[in-house]
Amino acid sequence: GQQVMQIPQYQHVQEGEDFTTYCNSSTTLSNIQWYKQRPGGHPVFLIQLVKSGEVKKQKRLTFQFGEAKKNSSLHITATQTTDVGTYFCAALSGNTPLVFGKGTRLSVIA
Amino acid sequence: DTEVTQTPKHLVMGMTNKKSLKCEQHMGHRAMYWYKQKAKKPPELMFVYSYEKLSINESVPSRFSPECPNSSLLNLHLHALQPEDSALYLCASSPLPLGEGGEQYFGPGTRLTVT
Repeated sequence: GQQVMQIPQYQHVQEGEDFTTYCNSSTTLSNIQWYKQRPGGHPVFLIQLVKSGEVKKQKRLTFQFGEAKKNSSLHITATQTTDVGTYFCAALSGNTPLVFGKGTRLSVIA
Repeated sequence: DTEVTQTPKHLVMGMTNKKSLKCEQHMGHRAMYWYKQKAKKPPELMFVYSYEKLSINESVPSRFSPECPNSSLLNLHLHALQPEDSALYLCASSPLPLGEGGEQYFGPGTRLTVT
């Protein structure tokens, strides 16, 4: 079935450094969503990307959807300790339910 | 009301017990989901209800039995579980029915331990 590869699995950064996680699919996606799960918490919806080449920003977070709609990235500028958590991409293709990537766990060293 | 609620928050049950997990949303969402999440893993889809009808059952063992009494409520009945079923059980809802996209709103989850 549909699979979404997400890298890296872990990322440790110094506070103030940038962070990027990538999501790739072998097939064209209808849309892609990003979620954040804090330690001990539940996934929280961040954003949905639908259009080819789409770029959306939320404060220090920048989300991109590839031109071929097969990949996406989440970039955080100048990380803060509040950014700690696991970031999941989740993809929709056709009538199938969301398929989650394995997530990237971000730790930020103050 | 913009949240999904789940009860109980924690549940410890023996392998012969019968228990139920409850989920509620009052956002008028058309699709509701049950996920199972093991530590350091992504949520794993179990069931999808769209317009109160079971649309997807991801080959879940029959010891898990979902129920959607109305558009706001979703239950997961548990019977004869195994220790490996211990996990965080997440409920989610989406404003659009299955197949039409739409973000998912997750509840806080029920942390289940099977002894």
